[in-house]
Amino acid sequence: AQTVTQSQPEMSVQEAETVTLSCTYDTSESDYYLFWYKQPPSRQMILVIRQEAYKQQNATENRFSVNFQKAAKSFSLKISDSQLGDAAMYFCAYRSRDNNDMRFGAGTRLTVKP
Amino acid sequence: NAGVTQTPKFQVLKTGQSMTLQCAQDMNHEYMSWYRQDPGMGLRLIHYSVGAGITDQGEVPNGYNVSRSTTEDFPLRLLSAAPSQTSVYFCASSLDRVRNEQFFGPGTRLTVL
Repeated sequence: AQTVTQSQPEMSVQEAETVTLSCTYDTSESDYYLFWYKQPPSRQMILVIRQEAYKQQNATENRFSVNFQKAAKSFSLKISDSQLGDAAMYFCAYRSRDNNDMRFGAGTRLTVKP
Repeated sequence: NAGVTQTPKFQVLKTGQSMTLQCAQDMNHEYMSWYRQDPGMGLRLIHYSVGAGITDQGEVPNGYNVSRSTTEDFPLRLLSAAPSQTSVYFCASSLDRVRNEQFFGPGTRLTVL
């Protein structure tokens, strides 16, 4: 079964600075999807960014971008110009294309300091 | 659109009691799923459905039942609650099972005493 590992339980960043959250995964599949979700204190799960494994180009969404290294099975999230509203738990997730399996990492709690 | 709705928001049960967590979506999504979130473990897939009348097990299905009689509704049943089922439960839906974004409900915090 696929596993998703987030090795940083907590991270902090100064407002307006850049922070990178790490995620690695283990799979024998060649085609899959990767996601970063944000969970603020409200508990609502919000999709931040999505990457399709067969696309070599790294996904970007405004201040959020990923560094997708397929051979290394690494999928890190970079947040530029951090804002106070970025403070939340961030979850990395893997979704198989061939079956209905979806796996989440344990999460990284991001604190943004003013 | 209300999106994905879950009821109740909070629930306390005694060991052995049964209950149903409700989930509904008004986006005509085919794929629906249930997750549980425990501290330090992220979300784990309990059951999912790819359409009305079709359900299957996820990573942690034991102790839970589901059914999908309509496209809109996907209830999760606990037949005999156990303290190990204390968790936050999320329902999610998407147009299909893979590519499209999953929309999550607000969650239900369940405590089993």
